[in-house]
Amino acid sequence: GESVGLHLPTLSVQEGDNSIINCAYSNSASDYFIWYKQESGKGPQFIIDIRSNMDKRQGQRVTVLLNKTVKHLSLQIAATQPGDSAVYFCAERALGKLIFGTGTRLQVFP
Amino acid sequence: GAVVSQHPSRVICKSGTSVKIECRSLDFQATTMFWYRQFPKKSLMLMATSNEGSKATYEQGVEKDKFLINHASLTLSTLTVTSAHPEDSSFYICSATQGSNQPQHFGDGTRLSIL
Repeated sequence: GESVGLHLPTLSVQEGDNSIINCAYSNSASDYFIWYKQESGKGPQFIIDIRSNMDKRQGQRVTVLLNKTVKHLSLQIAATQPGDSAVYFCAERALGKLIFGTGTRLQVFP
Repeated sequence: GAVVSQHPSRVICKSGTSVKIECRSLDFQATTMFWYRQFPKKSLMLMATSNEGSKATYEQGVEKDKFLINHASLTLSTLTVTSAHPEDSSFYICSATQGSNQPQHFGDGTRLSIL
C-alpha cells in the first residue's frame, strides 16, 4: 500500500504487505530528516533518520528514501505488522528546529 | 537510554487556574528542550525553544505571558499555562536534546483539559 503525501492521511494495508508512506517537505535548507511513529496518547517515537547528504538509509524492516530534487521523503515498512498501526510523521530540521509534516495514519488489517 | 519523562500525563482543571507541566531528561543532560502543542488528529506545532539558563524563544503567535517556560537545570524544563481557558485544552509534548545537532527525544505528552 502507498499513501500520496498530504492528500491521503490514512493508509490501510494487509498484514504482511509492505507499506510506503510519503512526505513532501518544504525547506530546501533542511539538513536532517526523521520519521516518527506516534501511538494514541503517546509522544513521537523515533524510527529512522537520514541526513541530507544521503538518499537512502535502511534500518530493521524500515527504509527511508530522500529525494532532494523534488523535496520528497518516504518511509518503507517491510512485512507490516499489527503493531505498526499508528500515525507516522516526517520531520525536517532547519535552523535547529523540527518542522513536522501533517502525518499519515497507518492501519494494518489481518 | 535517552528517556524523557513528562508529568503529569493528564490534568483536568477549572477555567482560570494555572497548570504546570514538567519535562525531565532522566539519563542525559539536555542543553535544549522544546515544547510542542498538538491538536486532535493534527501535527505537532513548536511553541518554544528553551535553553538551560536563558530565556525561552517563542514561535510566532505563541503568547509568552500565557505559556511560561523555565529551564533552570540541564534536566528539567517546566511549562506553566497561566489562567487557563477551554481553548488552551490540548496535548502538550516536550522534547530534549543534548545539542543542536543531536536527536530530539520526546516525552509522552500531557493531556490538558480545561473545564
